Amino acid sequence: AQKVTQAQTEISVVEKEDVTLDCVYETRDTTYYLFWYKQPPSGELVFLIRRNSFDEQNEISGRYSWNFQKSTSSFNFTITASQVVDSAVYFCALRSWDDYKLSFGAGTTVTVRA
Amino acid sequence: DAGVTQSPTHLIKTRGQHVTLRCSPISGHKSVSWYQQVLGQGPQFIFQYYEKEERGRGNFPDRFSARQFPNYSSELNVNALLLGDSALYLCASTYRGGNTIYFGEGSWLTVV
Repeated sequence: AQKVTQAQTEISVVEKEDVTLDCVYETRDTTYYLFWYKQPPSGELVFLIRRNSFDEQNEISGRYSWNFQKSTSSFNFTITASQVVDSAVYFCALRSWDDYKLSFGAGTTVTVRA
Repeated sequence: DAGVTQSPTHLIKTRGQHVTLRCSPISGHKSVSWYQQVLGQGPQFIFQYYEKEERGRGNFPDRFSARQFPNYSSELNVNALLLGDSALYLCASTYRGGNTIYFGEGSWLTVV
C-alpha cells in the first residue's frame, strides 16, 4: 500500500519569506513518481512539479525548488520569496510507474500575509 | 488548448437522489480518473478509465459508477445520495504513457 504524509497542516508566513513543505511517503515500488499540486480556493488542482524515483537530482524552477531524498523517503518543496498569490493548499502525491492512481497527502494550507 | 473541463460546477441534491457529473479530458488524452475530495482532506481515488474500460477502482460503494464514451469524455454517477457524499469531485486526464495527471476545476456537490 502507498501512503503520503504531510505533517504540517498549516503554515503562515509574511510575504517574501521562504516556505518549505514537508512530504514523507511509503511505497513498495522501486519505480514511482512524486508530485506537488497546488489547490487555490477555486478547487482546481494545479500541477507544479513531478519527480521520478530514479532521478534524485534536485532542481529549481523559478521560485519553486524541491529536495528529493530516496534514502529517507522524503520529497520536500520550497517556495522562495513567497507572494500573496501563493496562498493555497499544497498536496504531495505519489503514483506507481504502472498505475495512474494518485495517492495524496492530507495537504498543507499556506497563507502568505502581505 | 482547453484543459480538463467538468460540469456542473456546483449542485445541490437531496438525500436519496441520483447525480451525474461530467468530464471532458484534455484533447488527445485517453485516460480519465475520478477523485472525491471531502472538505479538509486530500483527494481519494474513485475510478480510472482507459479506452472506455475500467482500469482501476477505489474503495467506494457500488452506488458509485462511471463510464467513458468513445470521445473519451466520462460520467460519474452516484445513486442514493447520502449526506457524506457531499464533496468536491475532481476529474483528471492523462495520455497513454504520460507521467503527469492533470485535473479539472471539479464539481462541488452538496447533499442536503
